[in-house]
Amino acid sequence: AQSVSQHNHHVILSEAASLELGCNYSYGGTVNLFWYVQYPGQHLQLLLKYFSGDPLVKGIKGFEAEFIKSKFSFNLRKPSVQWSDTAEYFCAVNAYSSASKIIFGSGTRLSIRP
Amino acid sequence: EPEVTQTPSHQVTQMGQEVILRCVPISNHLYFYWYRQILGQKVEFLVSFYNNEISEKSEIFDDQFSVERPDGSNFTLKIRSTKLEDSAMYFCASSADRDGHEQYFGPGTRLTVT
Repeated sequence: AQSVSQHNHHVILSEAASLELGCNYSYGGTVNLFWYVQYPGQHLQLLLKYFSGDPLVKGIKGFEAEFIKSKFSFNLRKPSVQWSDTAEYFCAVNAYSSASKIIFGSGTRLSIRP
Repeated sequence: EPEVTQTPSHQVTQMGQEVILRCVPISNHLYFYWYRQILGQKVEFLVSFYNNEISEKSEIFDDQFSVERPDGSNFTLKIRSTKLEDSAMYFCASSADRDGHEQYFGPGTRLTVT
């Protein structure tokens, strides 16, 4: 069965610090990978996605993620966080051969100290 | 930018009552989904729907749940006899393509069963 693990439940950083949120997935076949963000009081928004090609993908708001197939990982990074990045971040996988359901990780709450 | 909308934003109901959660997907999308998130837990897939049929459903989606596209714009989730454990945030999503590469999520309906 497919699963997604996010190892950090809550991360607290100061503004301008660098961010890396870990994500590992479990699935033996071809996958599509996503990071979604949920700002306080708002709905899930797609931050970035990986389908194929360059394993380093860039998303909105300066975020990027690197797909490392050998490690089954898709970590999210940002070189310098801002207070407005305070949100819940969800890693997710969509198995290419499935009927398209998205499997989500448990989420990482990011708090930025101004 | 087109958005998925959901109504109501918050529904309070008594155990055993029927509830209908409504969603208006993005107008040219053909694939529709329901997910839920119990407080403090991960977002879980419930069901996917295409061409007036369920494409896939999870173990959570038992006989108490049903989905319908009653007209050209709405997509509904009905829970026949609500239980306390149905209390959760319910998210609707829609996608233009079969593999659900990019699903657009609505703001969610918070269902509280008392």
